[in-house]
Amino acid sequence: QVQLQQWGAGLLKPSETLSLTCAVYGGSFSGYYWSWFRQPPSKGLEWIGEINHSGGAKYNPSLKSRVAISVDTSKNQFSLKVTSVTAADTAVYYCARARDKGLVEWSIWGQGTTVAVSS
Amino acid sequence: DIQMTQSPSTLSASVGDRVTITCRASQGIRSWLAWYQQKPGKAPNLLIYEASHLESGVPSRFSGSGSGTQFTLTITSLQSDDFATYHCQQYHAYPWTFGQGTKLEVK
Repeated sequence: QVQLQQWGAGLLKPSETLSLTCAVYGGSFSGYYWSWFRQPPSKGLEWIGEINHSGGAKYNPSLKSRVAISVDTSKNQFSLKVTSVTAADTAVYYCARARDKGLVEWSIWGQGTTVAVSS
Repeated sequence: DIQMTQSPSTLSASVGDRVTITCRASQGIRSWLAWYQQKPGKAPNLLIYEASHLESGVPSRFSGSGSGTQFTLTITSLQSDDFATYHCQQYHAYPWTFGQGTKLEVK
């Protein structure tokens, strides 16, 4: 049973860097796409970006200049960094794995991390 | 970006009802559409992929249809566990985008 467990700082000040990590337990890292999403309070879901096991990443243009996703295959982990955060980055952040190798339907999700940006 | 529009935003129904949620894409996405169910404080749960394929473990009362720009999610014989928010998502072109969500509430 594959599980994703995520963690990171939950309270940030404006201009700081958001940093989250997602660990993969019970399954292979290779061949899958791994993604980050976020959901602002009482709003819909937003795709942030994705990465494959080789480190090839794609990002949402709305965030592209501030976002970086990386993988550490030795630890079965992938990470998200968002620089220069503002109140608009306040959201619940989720990591997710695709349903099968090479696919991009998201069937396994982390538990979510609430990130608040406030001075 | 491809805009996804769901209707209605809120749907009131009773246990046993048949309900339909619609998702419209701003341009053709073939069948590259997924439906997710989300309960308060929880991560989304994949229900349907490729517009009409039921994810493993999802009850058969859920079904999806459509292609191109118009899609529907249907729940037959609504159960109490089905009251939640439903999201559609396109994966035809980057960036992947979601509808605004449809909240299914108890009438």
